[in-house]
Amino acid sequence: LAKTTQPISMDSYEGQEVNITCSHNNIATNDYITWYQQFPSQGPRFIIQGYKTKVTNEVASLFIPADRKSSTLSLPRVSLSDTAVYYCLVGETGGGNKLTFGTGTQLKVEL
Amino acid sequence: EPEVTQTPSHQVTQMGQEVILRCVPISNHLYFYWYRQILGQKVEFLVSFYNNEISEKSEIFDDQFSVERPDGSNFTLKIRSTKLEDSAMYFCASRGGDTINQPQHFGDGTRLSIL
Repeated sequence: LAKTTQPISMDSYEGQEVNITCSHNNIATNDYITWYQQFPSQGPRFIIQGYKTKVTNEVASLFIPADRKSSTLSLPRVSLSDTAVYYCLVGETGGGNKLTFGTGTQLKVEL
Repeated sequence: EPEVTQTPSHQVTQMGQEVILRCVPISNHLYFYWYRQILGQKVEFLVSFYNNEISEKSEIFDDQFSVERPDGSNFTLKIRSTKLEDSAMYFCASRGGDTINQPQHFGDGTRLSIL
């Protein structure tokens, strides 16, 4: 499994765009990049997943450069409710493959 | 949006007692998982389950643990003789079919407290 490195914490203010970058230098050909969000005392919630280039959904965008050795989760116009831990996971998503969580990035959004 | 539901939300049990944690995965999902998260630590994989058998299990998932899908909707985790160190949040997850980019969806967990 590809190891990931992401900042331990980030601070932002309401209305700002937040970009969380994840490094995964030894990503394999079959690996996808998946981001989850976790609030205290709740389960991880799927945000977005991608393989290459750019993926966008209603809550976030995921930017993946051509070499795929990093990825950036972009949260547009964050609010207080976006305060959470964000996890970057890299691995094969087929079959019953388990997810391996790191320590994630604690995002704190203030007024 | 369909979701994974877990019961109870909080379970308090005496050490040495058996406990069963229950999960209702998303309907039509085929892959099922249990994870746990000790307070302040990472989310850890316990076991994956497909086609009525265990696909993979971690070192944590020893002989004290078992999983079962007793009917078409429930997925349970049993701990036979609980220990203090089993205190954690336990999350159930499920995933759809064989399409490679289908994510796992998690429930909100059961907080297990062993006294």
